[in-house]
Amino acid sequence: QSVLTQPPSVSAAPGQKVTISCSGSSSNIGNNYVSWYQQLPGTAPKLLIYENNKRPSGIPDRFSGSKSGTSATLGITGLQTGDEADYYCGTWDSSLSGVVFGGGTKLTVL
Amino acid sequence: QVQLQESGPGLVKPSETLSLTCTVSGYSISSGYYWGWIRQPPGKGLEWIGSIYHSGSTYYNPSLKSRVTISVDTSKNQFSLKLSSVTAADTAVYYCARQEGGSGSPFDYWGQGTLVTVSS
Repeated sequence: QSVLTQPPSVSAAPGQKVTISCSGSSSNIGNNYVSWYQQLPGTAPKLLIYENNKRPSGIPDRFSGSKSGTSATLGITGLQTGDEADYYCGTWDSSLSGVVFGGGTKLTVL
Repeated sequence: QVQLQESGPGLVKPSETLSLTCTVSGYSISSGYYWGWIRQPPGKGLEWIGSIYHSGSTYYNPSLKSRVTISVDTSKNQFSLKLSSVTAADTAVYYCARQEGGSGSPFDYWGQGTLVTVSS
């Protein structure tokens, strides 16, 4: 049971837009920055978004992040088959005094 | 380009201690940043194990704290993980990663991961 709640799966057609939610509480998302990671099949996670909405160098602007209250959202526009992956949100939990991740969301591009 | 590479035994017996090393290239650990370990059981999500600063300051996942030790060797540009009293539940792919700062800072560079199986 993850501290952060993500939908197990989402799907959309190529070229479309999809959003992935990450729900938490005031001890984690509500008072800390959120990061998002993409894990392509058989590979290590890759940082997509940090500090809620910032993209590391090399990450296309098709990927965006936002946060409101105790929830965060990852948005992906112009979906490509290469975007099929598992996506994880992560943040600090002040009550647990530790880094926490969501359970992950599997994106299928139909 | 920062690169991280995990190394260590792929098979550990129950009740024994799991030991892994992460070798960093392209960046000097002593220059700063935190360095962390994250694991992923087969077919499951990510779990943070703990992180260490180049000075040796550490912070651990409270649920694993009693069994975890993370250390750093700046002379070899490596940091290491020891997890004691392992059980089958510790079977996972173990990743090492660079963390921009403490607490909830993001992990911006990751190793490829190494599968550790706990079995007799």
